Amino acid sequence: LAKTTQPISMDSYEGQEVNITCSHNNIATNDYITWYQQFPSQGPRFIIQGYKTKVTNEVASLFIPADRKSSTLSLPRVSLSDTAVYYCLVGGNTGRRALTFGSGTRLQVQP
Amino acid sequence: NAGVTQTPKFQVLKTGQSMTLQCAQDMNHNSMYWYRQDPGMGLRLIYYSASEGTTDKGEVPNGYNVSRLNKREFSLRLESAAPSQTSVYFCASSEVSPADINQPQHFGDGTRLSIL
Repeated sequence: LAKTTQPISMDSYEGQEVNITCSHNNIATNDYITWYQQFPSQGPRFIIQGYKTKVTNEVASLFIPADRKSSTLSLPRVSLSDTAVYYCLVGGNTGRRALTFGSGTRLQVQP
Repeated sequence: NAGVTQTPKFQVLKTGQSMTLQCAQDMNHNSMYWYRQDPGMGLRLIYYSASEGTTDKGEVPNGYNVSRLNKREFSLRLESAAPSQTSVYFCASSEVSPADINQPQHFGDGTRLSIL
């Protein structure tokens, strides 16, 4: 299983753009990169997934360079409600090769 | 739409007691998972079931058993609870993509288990 490395914590202020980078040097050819968000006392929630280049949805953008050894989750104009732990996962089909959650990045957004 | 439902939400056990954590999903997903999350840590996979009738060990299976009762339900059993199993337990489900793309997992809100 590809191991991921993320910063333990990050601080930001409301209205700023936040970029969280994840390293995954051993990513395999058929691995996708998936990000989850977890609020206290809740289960993780899927945010975004990508394979290469850039993916954007209504919540975030995911940037993946050509070598795919890292990825960056970008949260535009964060608010207090974005305070959460963000997990980067790398893996193939979850049914046959289950994903591994690391310790995640704890994002604290301040007013 | 309930998604993934876990019961109970909280439980306190004494060392040596047994207990079954229940999980049900209403999204017609093939795959289901059990994780544990210790304070300040990420989630660790205990067991997973790729499809009805199959189960496989994850990262930390010792001390646990699972049953995929049907497509909707996946239970986790602690036969003889130990203080080291004090944790928050999350159940999740996902679809299986024939293209081998990992599909998003949908999580329940967890069961907080304390073992004294």
